[in-house]
Amino acid sequence: AQKITQTQPGMFVQEKEAVTLDCTYDTSDPSYGLFWYKQPSSGEMIFLIYQGSYDQQNATEGRYSLNFQKARKSANLVISASQLGDSAMYFCAMREGADSSYKLIFGSGTRLLVRP
Amino acid sequence: EPEVTQTPSHQVTQMGQEVILRCVPISNHLYFYWYRQILGQKVEFLVSFYNNEISEKSEIFDDQFSVERPDGSNFTLKIRSTKLEDSAMYFCASSEAGLGGKTQYFGPGTRLLVL
Repeated sequence: AQKITQTQPGMFVQEKEAVTLDCTYDTSDPSYGLFWYKQPSSGEMIFLIYQGSYDQQNATEGRYSLNFQKARKSANLVISASQLGDSAMYFCAMREGADSSYKLIFGSGTRLLVRP
Repeated sequence: EPEVTQTPSHQVTQMGQEVILRCVPISNHLYFYWYRQILGQKVEFLVSFYNNEISEKSEIFDDQFSVERPDGSNFTLKIRSTKLEDSAMYFCASSEAGLGGKTQYFGPGTRLLVL
């Protein structure tokens, strides 16, 4: 079974609007971390936001927020006020276990295109 | 802001040749990783490294692969005899030690093409 599922291969959003990128995960470990990374066309992986399994509040970083629904095992990324520079691939990833050294498991990604 | 650096940015090699990909992790980080991304596919974990030894490795990380921290700053991935299917983007990452939300920060990647 897939550990991380991103069901939207591609998404469009109008500039200045908000967009939600879906991510569901599967783990039996009570302690885990969820990450979102952005990969522009240049190829680098840029860390956006992190949510720990025991965090009580949804994570926010500027225009990025993570809609964490633990019971549904979802960790959707919300980008508010989209900008043209947000056009990129977005990857959801999970670390199982409490130790920061553990590997990340990535989803297949969502390609976001922001329309002017 | 400190960042992970990787060299070279691109590498073209002939099948069967050895390649060494280099990384300089963030200076106060203690955990190091290699991931790869075949074109158009998801990012896959290869190996993690801590305290001068491998912590975990994936099935992909077979005997053709090795990692080394030759000095206090560099972290290398060696592929002994490259195959066509080794063509991919290779990312180095590093993180601080400890529990909880220590993020893995990725380098810009090395794009490897095996002909």
